[in-house]
Amino acid sequence: NAGVTQTPKFRVLKTGQSMTLLCAQDMNHEYMYWYRQDPGMGLRLIHYSVGEGTTAKGEVPDGYNVSRLKKQNFLLGLESAAPSQTSVYFCASSYRSLGEQFFGPGTRLTVL
Amino acid sequence: GDSVTQMEGPVTLSEEAFLTINCTYTATGYPSLFWYVQYPGEGLQLLLKATKADDKGSNKGFEATYRKETTSFHLEKGSVQVSDSAVYFCALSAFPEGAQKLVFGQGTRLTINP
Repeated sequence: NAGVTQTPKFRVLKTGQSMTLLCAQDMNHEYMYWYRQDPGMGLRLIHYSVGEGTTAKGEVPDGYNVSRLKKQNFLLGLESAAPSQTSVYFCASSYRSLGEQFFGPGTRLTVL
Repeated sequence: GDSVTQMEGPVTLSEEAFLTINCTYTATGYPSLFWYVQYPGEGLQLLLKATKADDKGSNKGFEATYRKETTSFHLEKGSVQVSDSAVYFCALSAFPEGAQKLVFGQGTRLTINP
C-alpha cells in the first residue's frame, strides 16, 4: 500500500516549456486535489476532482489544467511554464467529504 | 472569504519546553478544524482534528480545542522533543458539502534544540 505517490520528485523547466505531473493513489479515494506550496503562503488549492471524469477549479487555477481519466490518477499539466509557477506541488486524496486528506511527498518544480 | 491565521514563526524552543502555536480562523458556517504537520522533505500528515465546537483533538501529546467563541484552534504540547521539529499548518474545511476544500494557514516552523 503505497498511499499517494507523485512523479517526478524534481524538475527544472525553461519558460514556455510544458510538462505533466502525475499523482497516483491506491486507497480507492473518490476525491483528489492539487496544491502548490510557496514560502509564507501555506498551501493553495489549484484544482480538485470529486470523482473519475470530473474536475473543478480551486483558488489558483490559472496556467494549469488537470485530468482525471482514471479514479486512481490525477494529472496536473502546465502548458507554457512561467517563473511564477516555481513552487512545490502536492497532491492529496480523501475518501469522502470532510475526511482526512492524505498527501503525497511533493514535486519541486523550478521554472527558469 | 474563509481564512486561517497562524502565529508567525519561526519558533525555537528547548527540549521539554511547553509549546503553543496560535491559530484563529474566519469562516461562514461551521467548519471542521485541522492541524497538519510537515517533516523535512515530506508531505503533510494529519496531526489532529476537531469537527465541532468544544471538541478537543489530540495525538502524539499534542492537543487543540475548537473554540467557537474566540474562533481559535491553538495547538499545545506540554513537553516538546527534538523529533517535533517540523512545520505545522492549521487548516479549516471550508465547505461541508461536496468535496472537502482545506484552507491553510501560512505554516509555523518549529525547531526544538536539545
